[in-house]
Amino acid sequence: AQSVTQLDSHVSVSEGTPVLLRCNYSSSYSPSLFWYVQHPNKGLQLLLKYTSAATLVKGINGFEAEFKKSETSFHLTKPSAHMSDAAEYFCVVTPPDSSYKLIFGSGTRLLVRP
Amino acid sequence: DVKVTQSSRYLVKRTGEKVFLECVQDMDHENMFWYRQDPGLGLRLIYFSYDVKMKEKGDIPEGYSVSREKKERFSLILESASTNQTSMYLCASSLEGGGGGYTFGSGTRLTVV
Repeated sequence: AQSVTQLDSHVSVSEGTPVLLRCNYSSSYSPSLFWYVQHPNKGLQLLLKYTSAATLVKGINGFEAEFKKSETSFHLTKPSAHMSDAAEYFCVVTPPDSSYKLIFGSGTRLLVRP
Repeated sequence: DVKVTQSSRYLVKRTGEKVFLECVQDMDHENMFWYRQDPGLGLRLIYFSYDVKMKEKGDIPEGYSVSREKKERFSLILESASTNQTSMYLCASSLEGGGGGYTFGSGTRLTVV
């Protein structure tokens, strides 16, 4: 079955330092992969998506993610964290039986220290 | 920008009440979804609809039903609310299949007492 695992429930960084949020997926084929962000008391917003084009995907707000098939990973990175990046981040995959449905990871809460 | 509007931000209901959660989108999207979000579990799909009057069960449909009489509106119904349905409920819509990404509403935090 399709699944996605976010390896860290919480990540804490200092402002101005790099961000790494880790995500691994299980799939017997090349999936569509997404990262969504949820700020407090807000809905989820699409950060970026991978759909079998370039393996390095650039998203909004300076985030990017690299699809590594050999490692079944889709880690989210940002060179320099900003206070406004503090939020919860979800790695998401589309299952093979339905392109309508998305399978969400359990989320990673990013804390940014001043 | 597409807007997905959920009618209530916070709701408190009693056990056994019938509860309606309303969601409206304004960009003529075919697909609409209801998820619940619980700490440590991420989002889980309850129901989705790919057309008016069409619905399909998601991963956790038990205790819920839905209604889509008009393209822009998708309602989630708790026939008899229970305390284990206390959660954050998120509505979403999309123009194409899941590959295109969703637009989410801000959520309804439901507490059943």
